Amino acid sequence: QSVLTQPPSVSGAPGQRVTISCTGSSSNIGAGYDVHWYQQLPGRAPKLLIFGNTNRPSGVPDRFSGSKSGISASLAITGLQAEDEADYYCHSFDNSLSGSVFGGGTELTVL
Amino acid sequence: EVQLVESGGGFVHPGGSLRLSCVASGFPFSDYSMNWVRQAPGKEPEWVSYIDSASRATHYAGSLEGRFTISRDNVNYLLSLEMNSLRDDDTAVYYCVRETIGTNGFDVWGQGTVVTVSS
Repeated sequence: QSVLTQPPSVSGAPGQRVTISCTGSSSNIGAGYDVHWYQQLPGRAPKLLIFGNTNRPSGVPDRFSGSKSGISASLAITGLQAEDEADYYCHSFDNSLSGSVFGGGTELTVL
Repeated sequence: EVQLVESGGGFVHPGGSLRLSCVASGFPFSDYSMNWVRQAPGKEPEWVSYIDSASRATHYAGSLEGRFTISRDNVNYLLSLEMNSLRDDDTAVYYCVRETIGTNGFDVWGQGTVVTVSS
């Protein structure tokens, strides 16, 4: 069981908006540590989508956005495209484990 | 081009050892903290180890029980992971990962090297 909890799957039609939640606890997200999000295509390494809760690296479309509140964070994807079909992971730091922790991952299906 | 290239993975029997290497290029290696992250088949990524830019601090996942050692050579742009007493559950793709300055996001990942532990 992962320290950060994500829904196993979400889906949406092209053009729609989907959100992926990431719930932690008082030792990680709730303690104020940043949340980061990654996209992983099959057979590829994870790619950074959002860092520091809300920031997009250069080259990531503004269709992707992040937010954080309390012990949870969310990734929103608007204008869903077929190429967005992938696994998405959240990541933060946990002070009780003294290290980085990842969510269990969410598989996004574009209908 | 910013790049991380891992090597050293392979097949090993339980109890064996491996040394993974990662060569960095395209950025000032000595300015960045680095990590190893692994991913077992069909599972989420799992953080393994961290080393700061000047090798003053290292951290490890508790599950490793002291079997792994991270090190770096800033002159040669090289990150290493020495893995001992390997177990079946160490089987995974191992990624060399750069940490974002100012936050602990992982902004550059290598292509990964596969480690298989099996009898």
